[in-house]
Amino acid sequence: DADVTQTPRNRITKTGKRIMLECSQTKGHDRMYWYRQDPGLGLRLIYYSFDVKDINKGEISDGYSVSRQAQAKFSLSLESAIPNQTALYFCATGEERTNTGELFFGEGSRLTVL
Amino acid sequence: GENVEQHPSTLSVQEGDSAVIKCTYSDSASNYFPWYKQELGKRPQLIIDIRSNVGEKKDQRIAVTLNKTAKHFSLHITETQPEDSAVYFCAARNAGKSTFGDGTTLTVKP
Repeated sequence: DADVTQTPRNRITKTGKRIMLECSQTKGHDRMYWYRQDPGLGLRLIYYSFDVKDINKGEISDGYSVSRQAQAKFSLSLESAIPNQTALYFCATGEERTNTGELFFGEGSRLTVL
Repeated sequence: GENVEQHPSTLSVQEGDSAVIKCTYSDSASNYFPWYKQELGKRPQLIIDIRSNVGEKKDQRIAVTLNKTAKHFSLHITETQPEDSAVYFCAARNAGKSTFGDGTTLTVKP
């Protein structure tokens, strides 16, 4: 089945370390997103990309960067992790061609910053 | 930017009762309103959606209504079952970006 895959699924790191979360998809979708989930705060958009050469900031992009290496790959980096970046991170994909707005989420990457 | 408010944050019902979750949005340009269900430890998955040119949509026990003038939309679940217990998120989409509400934790008691 076509899917959205995130690695790692769980990561514990220390303050100041650089962390990369990777996302790959076999759905053939052009749009990719990174969301952060905190208890009681829903899903907040960090960065999104509509195409390989397109990168856009979301509502909480400070402290994060992204790279769209190919249509199927979208990575999220924390250059210097801090404890309040402890959260569950979701990658999602979507497409505009069929005029559907549905997002397809990966299984999530749980990051703990000590 | 878009702001989505969702109420209530928690909802507990008896099996067989109905559940209603409400959301409001701020940007009149938003044109697509999905609802996602997230079971414990799982990823969010779409359960129903509605576009701005439609007032109501139903799929078996779940329905969504949209009032564009008031900028609010609601999820209705009838004949609730224990497997409906989950966190539900509403969202509003504009220009390819989806803004989510904070979520409602629904508990269905047997």
